[in-house]
Amino acid sequence: DQQVKQNSPSLSVQEGRISILNCDYTNSMFDYFLWYKKYPAEGPTFLISISSIKDKNEDGRFTVFLNKSAKHLSLHIVPSQPGDSAVYFCAAPSGTYKYIFGTGTRLKVLA
Amino acid sequence: NAGVTQTPKFQVLKTGQSMTLQCAQDMNHEYMSWYRQDPGMGLRLIHYSVGAGITDQGEVPNGYNVSRSTTEDFPLRLLSAAPSQTSVYFCASSYSAGGSGGELFFGEGSRLTVL
Repeated sequence: DQQVKQNSPSLSVQEGRISILNCDYTNSMFDYFLWYKKYPAEGPTFLISISSIKDKNEDGRFTVFLNKSAKHLSLHIVPSQPGDSAVYFCAAPSGTYKYIFGTGTRLKVLA
Repeated sequence: NAGVTQTPKFQVLKTGQSMTLQCAQDMNHEYMSWYRQDPGMGLRLIHYSVGAGITDQGEVPNGYNVSRSTTEDFPLRLLSAAPSQTSVYFCASSYSAGGSGGELFFGEGSRLTVL
């Protein structure tokens, strides 16, 4: 049973437009969420996080929204740039020592 | 700063061979972990450690062995490689284990092919 789901394997967006990446989760005990970005042949790098006490967290062009009632979070990138082309993973700590990752969404920003 | 260093970056094994993937971090993190990434499966936790001498299993531990004798190093051993272990392996560390603020720092990955 996949507790963190990213249902869109890929997304293409024109440069300058908004990219919206979605993530759903099933475990209502999750109280913290992270987004990671991964370029080919590199390890994932931390991008932005959100605690369940908030519904929005912003960092420059990146904003994460959390809808606890829908068990849904989304990452908005505005404006999108070609350098944002990567695979994006959402993740949640499960218990004290484990992280559950989604399957990833490959974003392609077209110049 | 080196961060998390993994070696080797690429390895080809024959079925039944054994090998060790090395992971070292220089951030004095207590928490270290190993993930494998497979197409359509995301990142799955193999084993983790919350400090020297303490290890535990993750989601997919079968066929892998770990030990943690120092804070810096967390090697992953494949005891008898199988084609199903063909994957990209990532080592990750964190200053705290899970919970808010415990972001993971990843190595660059080790691509393993088992023939």
